[in-house]
Amino acid sequence: GAGVSQTPSNKVTEKGKYVELRCDPISGHTALYWYRQSLGQGPEFLIYFQGTGAADDSGLPNDRFFAVRPEGSVSTLKIQRTERGDSAVYLCASSLTALAENTQYFGPGTRLTVL
Amino acid sequence: GDSVTQMEGPVTLSEEAFLTINCTYTATGYPSLFWYVQYPGEGLQLLLKATKADDKGSNKGFEATYRKETTSFHLEKGSVQVSDSAVYFCARGQGAQKLVFGQGTRLTINP
Repeated sequence: GAGVSQTPSNKVTEKGKYVELRCDPISGHTALYWYRQSLGQGPEFLIYFQGTGAADDSGLPNDRFFAVRPEGSVSTLKIQRTERGDSAVYLCASSLTALAENTQYFGPGTRLTVL
Repeated sequence: GDSVTQMEGPVTLSEEAFLTINCTYTATGYPSLFWYVQYPGEGLQLLLKATKADDKGSNKGFEATYRKETTSFHLEKGSVQVSDSAVYFCARGQGAQKLVFGQGTRLTINP
């Protein structure tokens, strides 16, 4: 079946611009996670949704970052006034529920470059 | 806070060599432990997991045992292949399964 998909695969923008990154989770998965992976590092947690609500947004670095999941399926990560330090690969993952035994399945990521 | 520390890379081995990649975690609560792998040009994939102490996860010839007494989850394989060349990430599940990852270990296997 279809896995987690993310669009766009690559995004180049200028400092100060606004960007939106989209994630389509596996059908039927209620939990959705966003991570950020900088070059040479492991992914870092940003935010997690259970259904439509953000259950934990403790990893968002500042108020320029915001994410929504209005219908409990597709999610959009929004970054305002982008900075060069926001350049990274943004990963989305989904799991059946947010229980410890459920595997998180990752998408291919969106590579964001801020010039 | 909670963290995962894994063996620094890069690691280069010859085909059929024995592999160990060390991973230790901070011992807050009773996390689930994972190894994820990222093959060249591909996304992160779950390799194996263990959800409680003394559990052994295994897949594709790789194994890791959840050791509570040493807070470790070392990845091992008895005979590596060129196709195992990838970046390997150790991770712990925290709270509602948000994952905390190590920094990754790049493995290269030479024929």
